[in-house]
Amino acid sequence: QQPVQSPQAVILREGEDAVINCSSSKALYSVHWYRQKHGEAPVFLMILLKGGEQKGHEKISASFNEKKQQSSLYLTASQLSYSGTYFCGTEISSGSARQLTFGSGTQLTVLP
Amino acid sequence: DAGVTQSPTHLIKTRGQQVTLRCSPKSGHDTVSWYQQALGQGPQFIFQYYEEEERQRGNFPDRFSGHQFPNYSSELNVNALLLGDSALYLCASSHRTSGYTGELFFGEGSRLTVL
Repeated sequence: QQPVQSPQAVILREGEDAVINCSSSKALYSVHWYRQKHGEAPVFLMILLKGGEQKGHEKISASFNEKKQQSSLYLTASQLSYSGTYFCGTEISSGSARQLTFGSGTQLTVLP
Repeated sequence: DAGVTQSPTHLIKTRGQQVTLRCSPKSGHDTVSWYQQALGQGPQFIFQYYEEEERQRGNFPDRFSGHQFPNYSSELNVNALLLGDSALYLCASSHRTSGYTGELFFGEGSRLTVL
């Protein structure tokens, strides 16, 4: 089942902060975050693993609440380059395959 | 170091036709996954190949099939095209023995329009 992302869209000024949420009805092994700019490939940002391990972007942080099956992506001091659509992708097992179930995305627009 | 490359970038087909999309994974990667991304939606998993076999499959009909070659490149075939097959088809590569859940490297996709 597809994870639910919120908000669907957000507009902010350069330097402002934003939070994007991702919620699943299933027990998760990991949550992945990707950003896709218009006409481009999705680009990896962050992985959060069950048990707390985290690997990702230098300027973007995230959390993973295993009990609630929720993840949040924190964008602080937004830059114009942060604009794009953010997708969370979820995995329910730790198999070697990367079968991600993506949410519908959150469109982030950063204005000067 | 070349990333994931896909071809063609755009194509137009009519209902009932067949299409083949191609993907070359990032150097050093042995696993290719295919995703379908409808306009305004997130990517949906179609299937994954490694060691030249389909290993996992999402909720897509048998009209969607694939192949992986010894050099790890892959093809996605869609038969009997429907209007609803119009989408961006993304290829993502990874290495199976990454040791833990690793990142996917996506290509820029093939935009398929079915008329």
